[in-house]
Amino acid sequence: DIQMTQSPSSLSASVGDRVTITCRASQGLSKNLAWFQQKPGKAPESLIYDTSILQGGVPSRFSGSGSGTDFTLTISSLQPEDFGTYYCQQYDRYPYTFGQGTRLDIQ
Amino acid sequence: VQLVESGGGVVQPGGSLRLSCVVSGFTLSDHHMDWVRQAPGKGLEWVGRSRNKPNRYTTEYAASVKGRFTVSRDDSKNLLFLQMNNLRTEDAAVYFCVRGFHSFDHWGQGTLLTVSS
Repeated sequence: DIQMTQSPSSLSASVGDRVTITCRASQGLSKNLAWFQQKPGKAPESLIYDTSILQGGVPSRFSGSGSGTDFTLTISSLQPEDFGTYYCQQYDRYPYTFGQGTRLDIQ
Repeated sequence: VQLVESGGGVVQPGGSLRLSCVVSGFTLSDHHMDWVRQAPGKGLEWVGRSRNKPNRYTTEYAASVKGRFTVSRDDSKNLLFLQMNNLRTEDAAVYFCVRGFHSFDHWGQGTLLTVSS
């Protein structure tokens, strides 16, 4: 199985900050890497697929990049509604696997 | 697009349960459909997939559930199912029905399974 490791596990940032979350795969991937945001008590919501393509309706302050084993989610200017837990996921090979999550708090 | 799960509840270890997911706003047969679960306070775990009609509804499963869980569908009724047999305490989780397009683009709200004697 492909292991997905996110860093950091948690972070706290201020409104307006640039935030970066990293996801590392145990094996090289093609472009099939996605990012999700989950708020407490809610279902996850898709932010990005195919490494860098924003799902419809996702604000442009979110962006994704990377290749091979290293991928990044960036929030260019943090907003109050961006709190929650972020997960990366590979859908390159079965079984699909998620990172352990990064909890983002707003200071 | 909407996905609404039902069927969760309390089951004893070794028991069985079937979850359902009714979908609307898209043609079910066109899409791969997945189940993802989340144990209380834990991260996300992919459970299994039913591929779309062009791919003959073939299935894939996580090793942790293979041989115990079955994903099926009734496209005529816009329904996706997860049949869970021989349940274990570690299967306790919220189960999400997910459309498998552009990774997982739409999620249901989830249904809670508790496994306890």
